Amino acid sequence: GAGVSQTPSNKVTEKGKYVELRCDPISGHTALYWYRQSLGQGPEFLIYFQGTGAADDSGLPNDRFFAVRPEGSVSTLKIQRTERGDSAVYLCASSLNPGGAGEQYFGPGTRLTVT
Amino acid sequence: AQSVTQLDSQVPVFEEAPVELRCNYSSSVSVYLFWYVQYPNQGLQLLLKYLSGSTLVESINGFEAEFNKSQTYFHLRKPSVHISDTAEYFCAVSPGSGTYKYIFGTGTRLKVLA
Repeated sequence: GAGVSQTPSNKVTEKGKYVELRCDPISGHTALYWYRQSLGQGPEFLIYFQGTGAADDSGLPNDRFFAVRPEGSVSTLKIQRTERGDSAVYLCASSLNPGGAGEQYFGPGTRLTVT
Repeated sequence: AQSVTQLDSQVPVFEEAPVELRCNYSSSVSVYLFWYVQYPNQGLQLLLKYLSGSTLVESINGFEAEFNKSQTYFHLRKPSVHISDTAEYFCAVSPGSGTYKYIFGTGTRLKVLA
């Protein structure tokens, strides 16, 4: 079956611009996670959705970052007034339910470059 | 709070030799433990996981990991590596409750040499 998909695969934007990154989770997965992977680092947690609500947004670095999941499926990560330090690969993951078998399925990521 | 330390950033090893990738974690609560692999230009794929039960877990491609609760490690081992095992390996810990978000280590780049 289809895995987690993310669009675009690459995004180049200028400093100060607004960007949206999209995640399509595996059908039926209620839990959705966003992570950010900077060069040479492991992924870092940003935000977790259970259904439509953001159950844990403790990883969002500041108020320029926001994410939504209005219908409990597709999620969009929004970054306002981008900065060069936002350059990273943004990963989305979904799981059938939080905990349980515990496995998160990752998408291929969106590589964001802020110039 | 949980944390994960992968002690080696790079591990070169010759083909057919054994390898161990080290992962130490700290947590005050019960955790789930995972190893993910990232091949060049690909996404993260689950290699193996420990949730409960037997402390020795195995993957379908010959990797195994032992969960040691007293010494808080979850090292990954393979008795004989192949060129195709060249990849980045990430250890992750997740609390066994709540959001189940992952805390990742910084990764170990395994390079298998011919």
